[in-house]
Amino acid sequence: DAGITQSPRHKVTETGTPVTLRCHQTENHRYMYWYRQDPGHGLRLIHYSYGVKDTDKGEVSDGYSVSRSKTEDFLLTLESATSSQTSVYFCAISQSIGDREKLFFGSGTQLSVL
Amino acid sequence: AQSVTQLGSHVSVSEGALVLLRCNYSSSVPPYLFWYVQYPNQGLQLLLKYTSAATLVKGINGFEAEFKKSETSFHLTKPSAHMSDAAEYFCAVSDPSYSSASKIIFGSGTRLSIRP
Repeated sequence: DAGITQSPRHKVTETGTPVTLRCHQTENHRYMYWYRQDPGHGLRLIHYSYGVKDTDKGEVSDGYSVSRSKTEDFLLTLESATSSQTSVYFCAISQSIGDREKLFFGSGTQLSVL
Repeated sequence: AQSVTQLGSHVSVSEGALVLLRCNYSSSVPPYLFWYVQYPNQGLQLLLKYTSAATLVKGINGFEAEFKKSETSFHLTKPSAHMSDAAEYFCAVSDPSYSSASKIIFGSGTRLSIRP
């Protein structure tokens, strides 16, 4: 297994509260991604990072922010959680050389916003 | 713009039967195409990928897919289903000109069930 750890694995929170999800990698891969998975939608990219302090928006970035202060850590923050953000969140990593599309995924975080 | 459509959100086959999961893509440039598999409570794993070499691509666990440009399809097949193949399968497309996976577009997924 690729060395990707997501924390927490499960979280229940209330509408309006801030939430931070953490992704930690031990592979020294350049690229890191946050996806959300919802029934009928597959995976949708929220934000991604192409290096320390270098991030960009994905398809569904509204209501989310990210930070990457170290190569190994990529944080996803919901500033004020809403029920529409109830989802399973996956972190992924990839390299830029060779198999750049070979994404390695973490085990996911199940987030419920009540 | 690129997109991918998976036909059938749920497919059920008997153990030992042929598995066929359908994927059609839309792309303005020659695409890269992928199949990923997700087992329960796990993240996605790359099953196979097409990157403009051979049109018939072999992947792990006996799966293969054929790129058909004329039909804009990339269907996934396996001759004989095993119980362990029960999972959700995602087709994906990307633009080869990008150096990251940020432009990979995933389909909505097909859940494969195997009947004993």
